[in-house]
Order: sequence, then C-alpha cells, then structure tokens
Amino acid sequence: LAKTTQPISMDSYEGQEVNITCSHNNIATNDYITWYQQFPSQGPRFIIQGYKTKVTNEVASLFIPADRKSSTLSLPRVSLSDTAVYYCLVVPTGAGNMLTFGGGTRLMVKP
Amino acid sequence: GAGVSQSPRYKVTKRGQDVALRCDPISGHVSLYWYRQALGQGPEFLTYFNYEAQQDKSGLPNDRFSAERPEGSISTLTIQRTEQRDSAMYRCASSLAGGSETQYFGPGTRLLVL
Repeated sequence: LAKTTQPISMDSYEGQEVNITCSHNNIATNDYITWYQQFPSQGPRFIIQGYKTKVTNEVASLFIPADRKSSTLSLPRVSLSDTAVYYCLVVPTGAGNMLTFGGGTRLMVKP
Repeated sequence: GAGVSQSPRYKVTKRGQDVALRCDPISGHVSLYWYRQALGQGPEFLTYFNYEAQQDKSGLPNDRFSAERPEGSISTLTIQRTEQRDSAMYRCASSLAGGSETQYFGPGTRLLVL
C-alpha cells in the first residue's frame, strides 16, 4: 500500500486559495488518489478523487502530475468553515478497499 | 435520505465489561466498514463486510473484538472484557459497493473505558 506524506498543519486567511500537497512515491498503477475532510466531532467526508491530470468539483480541484507521485488539493477562496483536517489517501481499485488514513493536514483558516 | 447512523453516540463502561456498538448503514449499501480513531489521529481500519460476509478482519486488534452483519444491513461491533486502551472513537462507514467507491461515515461512538 502506497504511503502518503502531507504537511501536519497549514494556516491561511479567509478568501485565500489553499493548496495542500501530498506525496505518494510508491503509488501503483491501479491506485486512485482520494481526499477526505474531517471537521471536529464528525466523521470524514469525501471531497474529491482522481487518477491523473486535473479533477474539479464544486468544492475543490485536484491536480495530479503525469508521474502521479504527488497530488495537490486546491481549495479556492477558503472561509472559516473550511477549518478542518484534510486527509490524502491512495485507494486501490478492486475489492477490499478499506481506507488507510495518515495523520492528515490540519488547516486553520483565520479571519 | 438518512446517512449512516451509529448508536450509542457515547458509551462509558467499566473495565472488564462487554460493549456492543451498532451501525446502521445507508440503505442499499453493500459494503460496511468499521474504523477506530484515536484523538488527533486518522481513522484506523478494523474490519469490513460485503453484504453479510466478513471480508477482512485483519485490523481487529485481538480476539476480544468481533463484528457481525447477519442480514447484510445493520452491523454490531462487540468488544469483550473491555480495557482502558480500548477507549476511542469507533466509526462506521458504508459504500454502495466495494472498489474505489466513496465511503460515507457515521458520527461515531465515543467509548470510554474506566
């Protein structure tokens, strides 16, 4: 299973764009890159998933370079409510896909 | 539609007692997962089911932990002879099917063993 490395914490201000980069050097051909968000006292919530290049949804964008050894979650114009822990996960396709969470990145958005 | 629900939300028990934690997945979801989350850490996989079949229990810490999902819907995680080190948040998640499907997490059960 590919190990992920991401910053322990980040600070930002309201209205700024936040980019959280995750490295996954040992990613396998059939692995997807998935990001979850967790607010205090809640369970993790799926944000976005991608295999390569760029994926965008109403919440975030995910940039994955050609070698797929890293990925960057981009949150446009963050607000105070985006303060949370963000987890980068590498998820194998096929059966048995329990999620392997690392420590995540604690994002603090300040006014 | 309702999301994943778990009960009880909080459980305080004395060391040596047995506890049963319940998970009610999203209706129609085939796969159900149990995780344990310590404070300040990410969730840690315990076990998972497809329908009623337990597919992987490699994450269960020891034989005091067991889980079942007899009718392929509601699941129970049982911890026998609880110990203080079992104190944690226990989270359940479900997904439509296995594979790279999105997992939807419940609110968790906070277990405190005194």
